[in-house]
Amino acid sequence: ELKVEQNPLFLSMQEGKNYTIYCNYSTTSDRLYWYRQDPGKSLESLFVLLSNGAVKQEGRLMASLDTKARLSTLHITAAVHDLSATYFCAGGPNTGTASKLTFGTGTRLQVTL
Amino acid sequence: GEEVAQTPKHLVRGEGQKAKLYCAPIKGHSYVFWYQQVLKNEFKFLISFQNENVFDETGMPKERFSAKCLPNSPCSLEIQATKLEDSAVYFCASSQSPQGPQHFGDGTRLSIL
Repeated sequence: ELKVEQNPLFLSMQEGKNYTIYCNYSTTSDRLYWYRQDPGKSLESLFVLLSNGAVKQEGRLMASLDTKARLSTLHITAAVHDLSATYFCAGGPNTGTASKLTFGTGTRLQVTL
Repeated sequence: GEEVAQTPKHLVRGEGQKAKLYCAPIKGHSYVFWYQQVLKNEFKFLISFQNENVFDETGMPKERFSAKCLPNSPCSLEIQATKLEDSAVYFCASSQSPQGPQHFGDGTRLSIL
């Protein structure tokens, strides 16, 4: 069964700084997703990573996937306060049919002035 | 519609009562998923559907939980004889394809008193 671990659980960073959130998963998975959740809100899809070496960027966020290391990273560049939220990675098993997502524990990001 | 619509937003029930939650997937999405998010951010998969067919119900506590997706009706998740531990936010998600990103609704916050 797929297990997904995220670290850190909590991240406080100053505006303008860079940081990386790590997502390790336990078994082979070629689908990795990143979501953002604001307090009391739903999950917003950020990135879908479907192949080894995939790299996607949107604004100050960049996500990558290394299927050999079973590792995905979410890199934050020059953080701004608006990025404060909880970020989840989620993996899906290697099947061609509809399947559940297994979520990490989330990383609560707090960007301070 | 363009969004996954979940109703109600908040549902309060006394222990032992029944609770029923609804989800209308995005138009054209054939796959529906239910997840439970408990207080520590942990997401637990409950069940998935492909159209009106149950695809994966490995996460469902079968004694009290049931779910349906019928044609031309919102999908539903019903909990009989609720317990305090059922208090959580229940998210519904839909996707267009098996490996596509799952789009989440705003969730239903279920409070069992």
